[in-house]
Amino acid sequence: DTAVSQTPKYLVTQMGNDKSIKCEQNLGHDTMYWYKQDSKKFLKIMFSYNNKELIINETVPNRFSPKSPDKAHLNLHINSLELGDSAVYFCASSRGVGSPLHFGNGTRLTVT
Amino acid sequence: DQQVKQNSPSLSVQEGRISILNCDYTNSMFDYFLWYKKYPAEGPTFLISISSIKDKNEDGRFTVFLNKSAKHLSLHIVPSQPGDSAVYFCAASPGGTSYGKLTFGQGTILTVHP
Repeated sequence: DTAVSQTPKYLVTQMGNDKSIKCEQNLGHDTMYWYKQDSKKFLKIMFSYNNKELIINETVPNRFSPKSPDKAHLNLHINSLELGDSAVYFCASSRGVGSPLHFGNGTRLTVT
Repeated sequence: DQQVKQNSPSLSVQEGRISILNCDYTNSMFDYFLWYKKYPAEGPTFLISISSIKDKNEDGRFTVFLNKSAKHLSLHIVPSQPGDSAVYFCAASPGGTSYGKLTFGQGTILTVHP
């Protein structure tokens, strides 16, 4: 049973399109995150939700909008995709302060 | 401004020996430190963590040491096994409501030779 699952694993799309990445966790965690792995392979936080409430919102373009329908799901919607959005996006969850983050296997987004 | 640094891009170790991976940080606000292991095309897998109130945490073959005054932590793997070959990331987090805002190092590729 996959603890944190993301779909799709690969996403290829054209500039200007709108796309969504879905994330689900079955660990019963209260907090979920989106991270982006950039071209230099650094993982950087984008958003964090706790019980459907936005907690952390880094300086991310407002074309990126996270949506949390319930505490087990955190989806990422991206409008008007740009070439620079190409990256691997990781979803994660944790139980709370001091608990480790558990990551999904990533979604590789390629914008052409 | 890279707040978490892993200065060794790679490390090669013989099976059975000790692997020591190092990490330095600059931000005194970090309260938690975590080590992750990553294989290609997979997400980071949690290995071990330590809070800033401790200086050592051990879990099986893995031990993490924290030197707050030097802003340095290290991961010891003993004995090293070929299956340990992967990229290892050090990460640091503030506490409180910002917990989980991990700052990652750039990773160290560990290769364990049989």
